[in-house]
Amino acid sequence: GAGVSQSPSNKVTEKGKDVELRCDPISGHTALYWYRQSLGQGLEFLIYFQGNSAPDKSGLPSDRFSAERTGGSVSTLTIQRTQQEDSAVYLCASRPGGVLVVEQFFGPGTRLTVL
Amino acid sequence: AQTVTQSQPEMSVQEAETVTLSCTYDTSESDYYLFWYKQPPSRQMILVIRQEAYKQQNATENRFSVNFQKAAKSFSLKISDSQLGDAAMYFCASLSSNYKLTFGKGTLLTVNP
Repeated sequence: GAGVSQSPSNKVTEKGKDVELRCDPISGHTALYWYRQSLGQGLEFLIYFQGNSAPDKSGLPSDRFSAERTGGSVSTLTIQRTQQEDSAVYLCASRPGGVLVVEQFFGPGTRLTVL
Repeated sequence: AQTVTQSQPEMSVQEAETVTLSCTYDTSESDYYLFWYKQPPSRQMILVIRQEAYKQQNATENRFSVNFQKAAKSFSLKISDSQLGDAAMYFCASLSSNYKLTFGKGTLLTVNP
């Protein structure tokens, strides 16, 4: 079946603009994650959705970052008033959601460049 | 909080040789999972191997195996018979009970022909 997809693949924006990044998880996966990968760094957790529960937003770096997940499927990560330090690859992952299923399946990421 | 440390920013290996990538971690949890992910230039994160902390036996997947030393909190990845396609960034990661992954900073592996 289809894997996790993300769009756009690349996004270039100007400082101060808002951007929206989209993630389509694998069908039926109830858990969805967003990670940020800055140059030369590992992946940094941002936010986690699990079914209808309140999302775990503990990794969001500032209130300029927000995310939503509509209908338990597609998720959008929004960055308001982008800054140059927001430049990174944003990766989305999904998981079936069962307590015994731990593997996360990653999308190809969106490379964000803030000029 | 969990931490994962990869002390080798870059490694290189000759084709057909064996290479070991190091990883140490710290966690206060008794149940956890450890993973090695591969990220080629396409950016796609690919799961290479996983290890359940409660299992004493080291995980093996074809040419990839781990040396899991629970007491030392060490989790190294051995790649045998290295191939050109193994060239990538490798990330060690731990999974806690809240199902969030904590990653190391990665090791860039170069395979020389």
